[in-house]
Amino acid sequence: EAGVVQSPRYKIIEKKQPVAFWCNPISGHNTLYWYRQNLGQGPELLIRYENEEAVDDSQLPKDRFSAERLKGVDSTLKIQPAELGDSAVYLCASSLAGENTEAFFGQGTRLTVV
Amino acid sequence: KQEVTQIPAALSVPEGENLVLNCSFTDSAIYNLQWFRQDPGKGLTSLLLIQSSQREQTSGRLNASLDKSSGRSTLYIAASQPGDSATYLCAVRPTWLGRLYFGRGTQLTVWP
Repeated sequence: EAGVVQSPRYKIIEKKQPVAFWCNPISGHNTLYWYRQNLGQGPELLIRYENEEAVDDSQLPKDRFSAERLKGVDSTLKIQPAELGDSAVYLCASSLAGENTEAFFGQGTRLTVV
Repeated sequence: KQEVTQIPAALSVPEGENLVLNCSFTDSAIYNLQWFRQDPGKGLTSLLLIQSSQREQTSGRLNASLDKSSGRSTLYIAASQPGDSATYLCAVRPTWLGRLYFGRGTQLTVWP
């Protein structure tokens, strides 16, 4: 069974340029998360979807970040324009609906903004 | 806000040792606690999930315990191997929010 798939694995861009990350969750998982992990830190939530609805986006910097989950399956996270401080690993995770479920993570996208 | 602390930040042991990684959290109102492993440049691999009503979970050489009232969890690794070298992250899911709160991790090195 395929796990959570993310692309690209690595991305290097110049500041002020746009960038987009893609995530395909585990089949049947209604809940999808985007986390950001800075070097030496634990991941922090950016946005959580239940099916196609964003139910927790309080940590998403909405001036430059946007996300969508069309048809409640794949998701895209976009940054426009990117800043130096956005350099981090962006992780996608998915789980079944409900509170007591296990979260599964993808390999992540390492973003470097120069 | 839930805060998660992991001690120690780094640990280096010889192969074969039994070891304990510690995780503490500030608010005991949680649904569950999850331990993850992260290899350099990789994503997170789920190791164990403990529900709030459970005291421990075991998988192979790994055993995780949960004391919700005191806000503590431990991950016990038996007979450590060089392949266990990685960063181990603890995360809790509060009852009032669907997100996971993570600690900074314990970086483990097991040398032959």
